[in-house]
Amino acid sequence: GNSVTQMEGPVTLSEEAFLTINCTYTATGYPSLFWYVQYPGEGLQLLLKATKADDKGSNKGFEATYRKETTSFHLEKGSVQVSDSAVYFCALRGWYSSASKIIFGSGTRLSIRP
Amino acid sequence: SAVISQKPSRDICQRGTSLTIQCQVDSQVTMMFWYRQQPGQSLTLIATANQGSEATYESGFVIDKFPISRPNLTFSTLTVSNMSPEDSSIYLCSGSGTGSADTEAFFGQGTRLTVV
Repeated sequence: GNSVTQMEGPVTLSEEAFLTINCTYTATGYPSLFWYVQYPGEGLQLLLKATKADDKGSNKGFEATYRKETTSFHLEKGSVQVSDSAVYFCALRGWYSSASKIIFGSGTRLSIRP
Repeated sequence: SAVISQKPSRDICQRGTSLTIQCQVDSQVTMMFWYRQQPGQSLTLIATANQGSEATYESGFVIDKFPISRPNLTFSTLTVSNMSPEDSSIYLCSGSGTGSADTEAFFGQGTRLTVV
């Protein structure tokens, strides 16, 4: 079945550092890929998405490129801020209508030091 | 994007009792899902709520324990039955405009359940 494997956390960085959170997936067909963010005490918010190979999703300085050859969707940001501290979830939505549920990775907790 | 409201936002319940969580969407959505999130953990899909028919449950979850209703395209309920402390968790409702792969899902704020 479909699955998502995400970089273990927690990740602690200094402000203005470069961020990469790795995500790889296993799926049949052509899934869509998502990054969700969960700030402390809040629900999940969509951060960005990509729906086909080589698509790049971007939002709030974050980027991720859908790489079918490596089955990856790594999240990057060039210069993190304290306000980026949150839990980040990589997710996949299956291609077939009968498999249109969303599967989540384990989540990566990110803490940014001032 | 749709706005999803969940009630209650939190509750403390006695073991052996049941709690019904309500999920209201401000627009019609094709798909609705219920997830469980243990503290510090990822989201585990409980079931897909189907309008006008029985929900589709994931492995490890059964209708007798987690009955779900979906009477229309904007509303669903999840009941946690005969609760035990192991049911303490955050329960999240999610909705999606279509069932196609390229459509994201939106989430409610969650219901934090503690069973004592």
